[in-house]
Amino acid sequence: SQTIHQWPATLVQPVGSPLSLECTVEGTSNPNLYWYRQAAGRGLQLLFYSVGIGQISSEVPQNLSASRPQDRQFILSSKKLLLSDSGFYLCAWNGVVHSPLHFGNGTRLTVT
Amino acid sequence: TQLLEQSPQFLSIQEGENLTVYCNSSSVFSSLQWYRQEPGEGPVLLVTVVTGGEVKKLKRLTFQFGDARKDSSLHITAAQPGDTGLYLCAGARGGGSNYKLTFGKGTLLTVNP
Repeated sequence: SQTIHQWPATLVQPVGSPLSLECTVEGTSNPNLYWYRQAAGRGLQLLFYSVGIGQISSEVPQNLSASRPQDRQFILSSKKLLLSDSGFYLCAWNGVVHSPLHFGNGTRLTVT
Repeated sequence: TQLLEQSPQFLSIQEGENLTVYCNSSSVFSSLQWYRQEPGEGPVLLVTVVTGGEVKKLKRLTFQFGDARKDSSLHITAAQPGDTGLYLCAGARGGGSNYKLTFGKGTLLTVNP
């Protein structure tokens, strides 16, 4: 069966520090991968998606970036965090673009 | 402008009561997904509705897709504390590279024992 892992579960970082969140999927090949952010009281905002290794599409301009160094690995990064980057970050995958998403358990990021 | 409006935003009820949450839009969707999210976890898919007027039942949960495929509702019968969570609807539009999945802000349901 397919599983998705995200880590860390929680993270507290000072303003201006770098960020690296990792997501891996097991049990499937060539998944579509997504990074979402969920702010308090809001729905899910799509940040990045990838349909293959090295292929990244950005939905919202920001100081975050994403990379897909391997087929089932998706990384969310920042060189310098802002206070507004605080939130709940969710990684998700699906096998076909139109199919429902399978989410990881998220990373709670607090920028202080 | 929020493409998908969910109402109510918050709902607190007693165990055994019935409830309905709504997901409305002025846009037409090719399909609509409902997810449930518990605190500290990712959303989990409940159902996908595709056809206008479609009704799907999942135990005590009944999902309906509007005839015009612009809105949807989720009805829970005899709610239980285990139903507590954030219910999110997500509408799908377009195809290929134009495919878009848009989430509503969710309805936070609390069922008190």
